[in-house]
Amino acid sequence: ETGVTQTPRHLVMGMTNKKSLKCEQHLGHNAMYWYKQSAKKPLELMFVYNFKEQTENNSVPSRFSPECPNSSHLFLHLHTLQPEDSALYLCASSLQLPGTGRDEKLFFGSGTQLSVL
Amino acid sequence: RKEVEQDPGPFNVPEGATVAFNCTYSNSASQSFFWYRQDCRKEPKLLMSVYSSGNEDGRFTAQLNRASQYISLLIRDSKLSDSATYLCVVNIIGGTSYGKLTFGQGTILTVHP
Repeated sequence: ETGVTQTPRHLVMGMTNKKSLKCEQHLGHNAMYWYKQSAKKPLELMFVYNFKEQTENNSVPSRFSPECPNSSHLFLHLHTLQPEDSALYLCASSLQLPGTGRDEKLFFGSGTQLSVL
Repeated sequence: RKEVEQDPGPFNVPEGATVAFNCTYSNSASQSFFWYRQDCRKEPKLLMSVYSSGNEDGRFTAQLNRASQYISLLIRDSKLSDSATYLCVVNIIGGTSYGKLTFGQGTILTVHP
């Protein structure tokens, strides 16, 4: 148990559906992240939040919409996705952002395996 | 050139073997380096941070070579339970004051009896 909880674990959705992924961390961390992991590709950073403010949007299409109401919760709202968006979506948190010279180790949730039909 | 590059393997080694992985990075300003381990269909988990002077944790040794911009992971006396994908992670410094923890594609290790 890493202290980062993601729901749902699995999600199948059609291209016209709207769904949301949820992430909650119980570690008292200040930074939260969404990563995408596709088959045979490295983890891709999508969004970064620090103290619930977005600090990074890594050129992610607008059909992915993040929301961070507080430092412990992070959502990823999905709408009109494409089949190529099928992947494992991982939430992570860290005490501080990378490059601050302080604790920046990432702790991941179990991920949501998303299939878009 | 990829920001973080690893040999994807797979590496197939017998129990008890010593195996080493390398990872190269493109940004000479990078300051933070990590090795993560990811089991099949699971999330990545931190294996160890990599410090400038090199560091050891049991059977695992990590080294950093800033001049050549690579980090390495050495596993001694391999166990079956070491079978996993090993991910190299580097803080890539970009246009903002913060970096981005950037992952390599991973190196697959299979330890067989």
